[in-house]
Amino acid sequence: AQRVTQPEKLLSVFKGAPVELKCNYSYSGSPELFWYVQYSRQRLQLLLRHISRESIKGFTADLNKGETSFHLKKPFAQEEDSAMYYCALLSGGGADGLTFGKGTHLIIQP
Amino acid sequence: ETGVTQSPTHLIKTRGQQVTLRCSSQSGHNTVSWYQQALGQGPQFIFQYYREEENGRGNFPPRFSGLQFPNYSSELNVNALELDDSALYLCASTRAVAALDSYNEQFFGPGTRLTVL
Repeated sequence: AQRVTQPEKLLSVFKGAPVELKCNYSYSGSPELFWYVQYSRQRLQLLLRHISRESIKGFTADLNKGETSFHLKKPFAQEEDSAMYYCALLSGGGADGLTFGKGTHLIIQP
Repeated sequence: ETGVTQSPTHLIKTRGQQVTLRCSSQSGHNTVSWYQQALGQGPQFIFQYYREEENGRGNFPPRFSGLQFPNYSSELNVNALELDDSALYLCASTRAVAALDSYNEQFFGPGTRLTVL
């Protein structure tokens, strides 16, 4: 069965510092990986997906199949990045739903 | 364009009761997924409905059931409620071209907070 692990429940960094949110997964097939974000009092929303290879709000994430990781990075944190971040995996096509990690609460200190 | 809406916002039930949660999908979307999010956990996939039929299910017992209507809105029904069913229930909608279409971005609703006493 697939699994997503986010080892940090809470990550606190200062504004302007680099951010890295860790995500590791286990899945025997070829996964699709995503990062979802939930800002305070807002809905869960898609931040980025690995196949898009985009940079969204300055965030990037690279899928490393050898290390089974999909870490989220941003070189310079901003206060508005404070939010709950969830790594998610899609296995076996769209009908299987997303498997989410437990989430990391990112706090950017001024 | 109207986003995903869910009702009610909050609900309190007692153990053994039955509950129905409702979800209106975003305009133009034909697929609805339901997730359970316990406190301190990530969302966990319950099932997905495409064109009024269940076409994917997570590791949840049969007392979790659902419906999708011709207008693509959906209901989640939970029978014989247990204390561990207390959670935030999220609905997400998307537009799929086929039942096993590759992933299309899911748009989440605000959730229904269910408390079982």
